[in-house]
Parts: sequence; structure tokens; C-alpha cells
Amino acid sequence: DAGVTQSPTHLIKTRGQQVTLRCSPKSGHDTVSWYQQALGQGPQFIFQYYEEEERQRGNFPDRFSGHQFPNYSSELNVNALLLGDSALYLCASSSIGSTGNTIYFGEGSWLTVV
Amino acid sequence: AQSVTQLGSHVSVSEGALVLLRCNYSSSVPPYLFWYVQYPNQGLQLLLKYTSAATLVKGINGFEAEFKKSETSFHLTKPSAHMSDAAEYFCAVTSNYGGSQGNLIFGKGTKLSVKP
Repeated sequence: DAGVTQSPTHLIKTRGQQVTLRCSPKSGHDTVSWYQQALGQGPQFIFQYYEEEERQRGNFPDRFSGHQFPNYSSELNVNALLLGDSALYLCASSSIGSTGNTIYFGEGSWLTVV
Repeated sequence: AQSVTQLGSHVSVSEGALVLLRCNYSSSVPPYLFWYVQYPNQGLQLLLKYTSAATLVKGINGFEAEFKKSETSFHLTKPSAHMSDAAEYFCAVTSNYGGSQGNLIFGKGTKLSVKP
């Protein structure tokens, strides 16, 4: 049983460009959340998707957007990249209807903006 | 609003010594609390979670944590450190675990070093 998978694992982008990160949740999970972890910091919640809709959002600008597909996989898009967007982007999956269910994290996508 | 404070960005212990990583939380509603571990260049792995059942929670790799409401604390302990415990540890809080899964508020992390 595959856990949470993310792609790509590493990428380098130039300021002003756009990036798309991908996540496949753990089998049986229907909820995907995205987090940004800057170097030396704890992860910060970006947003959560359930039933193909954004259900919750953290304090991130509209440059950050996402999508969830019918198979529960998800994408994180960041437009007009800034140097400060360089970070590890973590995807987490869970099952919203299961009380006490564990939240699983992927290995993350390392984004470097130059 | 909820928040987490991890006291000590870096903790160093000798192999075989007690590990104590401190976490204090702030929450206006009953919290659900978690400890995650992150090894270099990897994602987060759940060590243990408190979801309003027993206040003493046992996790993987010999770790445990005690929820103390009066002290708003959820410190992580392990009786005897092993070299493989060297990693970064994050405490996290959320509320309404069933209804808002995934919206975790993390502390800044504590890096644990284990000396031989």
C-alpha cells in the first residue's frame, strides 16, 4: 500500500515563473492538505481540499492555488514565484469521515526559486 | 486561535540518557495534539497523538507524551536515547480532529542530537 506520494522531489524555478506540485493521497484517503516548510521552520498550513473543493485556507496569498481531482489526487500551483517561496512543500492526506484517523505526510517537494 | 511553543530549538543528550522535548500549546477549545519526527531530507512521520482519550500517550520507537491541561503542556519523553533518534521533532495542535483534519498548527521544531 503506497503512502502519500509527491512529485517532483526537487525543482528549481526562476522568479516570476509558475510551478505545479502534485500529490497522490494514501489509498482510502479523501482529504488532501498542503503545507509550506521554510528552512528551519515548522510547516505552515496552506489549504485543504475535500470533495474537489477548497475547505480551509491558511494565511497565504492568492498566488497559491490548488485543485483536487475525482481520484482525490491534488495539485498545488504557485504563480509569480518569489525568492521567499523557496521551501519544502508537504502534502498530507487523511480521511475526513474517520474520527481519530492518522494524518499521513509525503516526503515533500523541494522548491528553490532563484 | 491556536498556537504551539516548543522550548529549545536544539537539545543534545548522550546515548542512553533521558530525552525530554517540551511543548506548550494555546487553544480556546479542547485540543488534539501530535508529535511528528522529521529525519534529514524526509517528510514527517507521526510519533504519537492525543485525541482526548488517555492523557498518557505511547507512540512509536519508545516515545511517550503526557497531556497536562493545567499546564497546557504535551512534553515528549523517551527513557533512553538511541543514536537513531537524532532528528527534528515537531509538536502540532488542532481542534475538532474529525471535522478539521489536516489543519495542523506546528511549533518551530526541536532538533535532537544524540552523542555517543
